[in-house]
Order: sequence, then C-alpha cells, then structure tokens
Amino acid sequence: GENVEQHPSTLSVQEGDSAVIKCTYSDSASNYFPWYKQELGKGPQLIIDIRSNVGEKKDQRIAVTLNKTAKHFSLHITETQPEDSAVYFCAASTNNFNKFYFGSGTKLNVKP
Amino acid sequence: GAGVSQTPSNKVTEKGKYVELRCDPISGHTALYWYRQSLGQGPEFLIYFQGTGAADDSGLPNDRFFAVRPEGSVSTLKIQRTERGDSAVYLCASSFGGGGNEQYFGPGTRLTVT
Repeated sequence: GENVEQHPSTLSVQEGDSAVIKCTYSDSASNYFPWYKQELGKGPQLIIDIRSNVGEKKDQRIAVTLNKTAKHFSLHITETQPEDSAVYFCAASTNNFNKFYFGSGTKLNVKP
Repeated sequence: GAGVSQTPSNKVTEKGKYVELRCDPISGHTALYWYRQSLGQGPEFLIYFQGTGAADDSGLPNDRFFAVRPEGSVSTLKIQRTERGDSAVYLCASSFGGGGNEQYFGPGTRLTVT
C-alpha cells in the first residue's frame, strides 16, 4: 500500500518567517494530496489540497507544490502568525479520493 | 451549522470489554469515514461508508472491529474484546458525496483500554 513520509516532525519559526513542510509518497498512482491542520483536542481541518494534474496551488499565505516525478509535495506558509501554531498532516489518496494515507505530522510552533 | 459530533468524548474501559463509539455526521453528508489516531501519529484509515453500505473496510485491523450505518446517517464503531493496543483517538469524518469533496472531521473519541 501507499507510504507517506513527512518531515520535519517539529518546526519552530519566528513570527513573520516562512515555514516549509515536506512529504514523500511511494505509490505513483496517488492522485490527490490534501493538507490538514489539527489543533489540540480537535479533529483535523482541511487547509489546502492539490490534484495530480496541477503542479502548484496557492491560497493567500498557504501554497502547496507537487512533483509527481520525484513523488514529493510540500506545504509553504508565508508570513507565519502565532495562530498558525498547530500540527500539520499531509495525506495521499489513490482510491477515488476516499481512502487517505496520512503522514506522521509536523508540530509547527510560531514564536511571537 | 452543526459539525460532526462524536460521543463519548472520552471512554475508559477494561481489557476484554466491548465498546461502541458513535458518530453523527453533518446533515446531508452521504459519505462517512472512520480513522484511528495513535499518539504522535497521523490518522489511519479504518472504513468508509457511502450511504448505508461500507464501500471500503480494508483498514479495519481485525474482526474485533466492526462498524454500521443502518440509516445512512449516524454510524457506530464497535470494538469487541478490547486490547490495550486499541487505545487511541477514534476520528469520524463526513463529506458530501465523497470522491474528493472535503472531509469534515469530528473532535474524536479518546479510547483508553486499561
């Protein structure tokens, strides 16, 4: 089955700096890549997603890039704010977008 | 409007006991998903329902785990003969139609098996 690896496991940045989280996947049939933000005691919340026919997608301060050849995708957060502090998960899907394989998460700490 | 709700929020049970975890999806969402999240890990897919039927149950770890959604709305995840290794947060998500539509997650049920 699919294997998604995520790095780094923790990331600490100063407010206003950029943060980058990277994921790799193993199954070339994966075609949908969502990113989730999880705050303490809550379920994950979708923040951005990308499909395999697109190389990059941007939504305000958040962007995701996808390299299908290398089988990796990244989350970029610019102008970080303290409220961006949370655990971020990448995921990949190979089965009609319904079965997700998640990475192990990145704990982002934005220092004011 | 109301989001996905899960009850109970916390459940402590003894090894060998039976437990039921409930999920109330967003009204009108036809797809429902169960995940298990161990400490420090990402969610792990368990089962996906489209309407009343389980469209994909390949993530259920063994036959002690079973889930139902008899009327296409509320779902119950059932775990028999619980083991300490079943301790985790069980997350439920729903989406409108599935197939790439956004999955909305509930807050989860924290299960502790002593």
